[in-house]
Amino acid sequence: KQEVTQIPAALSVPEGENLVLNCSFTDSAIYNLQWFRQDPGKGLTSLLLIQSSQREQTSGRLNASLDKSSGRSTLYIAASQPGDSATYLCAVWDGNYGQNFVFGPGTRLSVLP
Amino acid sequence: GAVVSQHPSWVICKSGTSVKIECRSLDFQATTMFWYRQFPKQSLMLMATSNEGSKATYEQGVEKDKFLINHASLTLSTLTVTSAHPEDSSFYICSARDYHFNNEQFFGPGTRLTVL
Repeated sequence: KQEVTQIPAALSVPEGENLVLNCSFTDSAIYNLQWFRQDPGKGLTSLLLIQSSQREQTSGRLNASLDKSSGRSTLYIAASQPGDSATYLCAVWDGNYGQNFVFGPGTRLSVLP
Repeated sequence: GAVVSQHPSWVICKSGTSVKIECRSLDFQATTMFWYRQFPKQSLMLMATSNEGSKATYEQGVEKDKFLINHASLTLSTLTVTSAHPEDSSFYICSARDYHFNNEQFFGPGTRLTVL
């Protein structure tokens, strides 16, 4: 059974810092991995999608990497801003149509002005 | 990216009434949609998988007669909370996977249900 963990559970940094969020999964037989952010009381916003054949994806100040064989992904946020404060979730999918993700518990990020 | 909408965004109802929540994929067809609930400061909990034209698949512990799911078209799934009680108060979120867009999954904005 796939299990996804995220470290740290919470993180508080001053504005401008570069930071790394970690995601680990136990079964490397994934089809893709997706990073989301969730603001309080809101739905999830898709940030980056990495296919199993890819090593990384970039969008603006965000860079996500994937090491499928070791069961790890990292989300790198450059020059953090207070608006980045949210909960960040990673989720893996095994490619089985009709099946859902397995989510990690999330990392709660606070960027202090 | 693709857009998934939910309606209503929030609803308050009296105990014993039924509430319907709609989930729509606006610019893609979704043969499969997912329904979650989320309690404050907790992660998403998958309730059921909604399959177009067939019965939904419910997760263990979720009452299918309490949470009725209908996926009548490729762009619409509905969740009806029947005979709602205060313990059903929660944040309900739906998602859909766009199989033509790298299988990326998109989430609705959520519906806040409060049962008095």
